[in-house]
Amino acid sequence: QLQLQESGPGLVKASETLSLTCSVSDDSMSSRAYYWAWVRQCPGKGLEWIGTLYSSGITQHSPSLKGRVTMSVDTSKKHFFLTLTSVTAGDTAMYFCARLTPFMAAGGSTNWFDPWGQGTLVTVSS
Amino acid sequence: SYVLIQPPSVSVAPGQTAKITCGGDSIGSKSVHWYQQRPGQAPVLVVYDVGDRPSGIPERFSGANSGNTATLTISRVEAGDEADYYCQVWDGSSDHPEVFGGGTKLTVL
Repeated sequence: QLQLQESGPGLVKASETLSLTCSVSDDSMSSRAYYWAWVRQCPGKGLEWIGTLYSSGITQHSPSLKGRVTMSVDTSKKHFFLTLTSVTAGDTAMYFCARLTPFMAAGGSTNWFDPWGQGTLVTVSS
Repeated sequence: SYVLIQPPSVSVAPGQTAKITCGGDSIGSKSVHWYQQRPGQAPVLVVYDVGDRPSGIPERFSGANSGNTATLTISRVEAGDEADYYCQVWDGSSDHPEVFGGGTKLTVL
């Protein structure tokens, strides 16, 4: 059963760069059948999509993050990465990685997130 | 960008049926997915493509979608169902294609 595991520093200083890694337990990343994503959850808040790494290699991220996001994958296809620059207190959150399954539904294309990593808490200090 | 609206909270007694709604413009034309997030845990997919369930999810969880409202129904509610529930859709016409609802806290009385 596929498992994802986030890792990275739990504490980052304001204005610096946050870097996270998601480790994938099987060879799913070698398949073009899936996409890969980052989602975060600020304390006491809901889920917020950060970005998606498509099987084509193209990435797309939330416009609300104003170009501070970079996503990439390593050549072994067992890890993918998130970089968020110029962090502020508003970036303090639990960060999750997840696999996205694309599907052609009756109503058109769709994606769902499954499974998710357990999450890693990142706190931005002043 | 597309917006999904969920009620902040729903309460139900054990053994009863809980209905959690997710409102969006013509959401009935979209495929809707639902996630359960227990306190301190990662989200778990419980319903995908409106009404299908991943392996291991009880048949008590079901979904429906029509018009401007999608609904997650949990039958014979158990104490272990107490969690936050989020709906999600993909809006391919947007620069913010993955959209989550604000979440609904299900309380089992």
